[in-house]
Amino acid sequence: QKEVEQDPGPLSVPEGAIVSLNCTYSNSAFQYFMWYRQYSRKGPELLMYTYSSGNKEDGRFTAQVDKSSKYISLFIRDSQPSDSATYLCGVYSSASKIIFGSGTRLSIRP
Amino acid sequence: DAGVIQSPRHEVTEMGQEVTLRCKPISGHDYLFWYRQTMMRGLELLIYFNNNVPIDDSGMPEDRFSAKMPNASFSTLKIQPSEPRDSAVYFCASSFGTSGTNEQFFGPGTRLTVL
Repeated sequence: QKEVEQDPGPLSVPEGAIVSLNCTYSNSAFQYFMWYRQYSRKGPELLMYTYSSGNKEDGRFTAQVDKSSKYISLFIRDSQPSDSATYLCGVYSSASKIIFGSGTRLSIRP
Repeated sequence: DAGVIQSPRHEVTEMGQEVTLRCKPISGHDYLFWYRQTMMRGLELLIYFNNNVPIDDSGMPEDRFSAKMPNASFSTLKIQPSEPRDSAVYFCASSFGTSGTNEQFFGPGTRLTVL
C-alpha cells in the first residue's frame, strides 16, 4: 500500500463549478499536509499547507484534513480555466521528506 | 532571485550513455532535493542534501544513479549507464530548512529520453 493515494483522474468540469480533489494517507503520525499545483511542462509550486486537522482557506481554495479518516481534500470554488493543472497532495514525514500523491489532472472547460 | 535553475531542459540520449543533470538552487537555501516524475510512479524523491551533505539517498533506484553537491550553489545527478526505463522528468528543488511549513521550490525540470 502506498503511503499517499490519489486518484489520477483526469477530471474535467465546466467553468464556475466547485472542484473536489482528494487523497488518503496511511500513517496517522503525519501532521503536515500540503497541496502543490503543477502546470504543464513546469515544476510543482506550493498552493497551501495545513497542520493537523481542520480547514484552511485561501481565496477560492480550501484545504481540509480529516485525521480520523486519514483524508485530505482540496476544494476549488468558482473554478477558472487557469486552474487547469495537475494537483499533487503531499504529507510531510518525520524524515524531513514530503511524500507526494501521484497527482490529479484537472481540466476546467470554458 | 531567478529561482531554481536546471540544465539541460531536454536531453535525448541512447541506452548505455552517461547522462549528467545539473541544478543551481536558490541562494541561501540549505536543502536540495532531486525528484523523478513519471506517469506510472508519480513524483518520487531520489536523494536530498543538507548543507551540501547527502542525508538520505534511499530513493536512488540503483547504483547507476549518483548525485553530488560540491558546493552550496551546484548539484549534479548522474546516470551511468542510462537505460530506457530512466526516461522521466527530473526535478531539482530547494528549501530553507525542512519542516511541514518550509516550502520546497522546484526547478522547471529536465525531460530525459533514453532511446
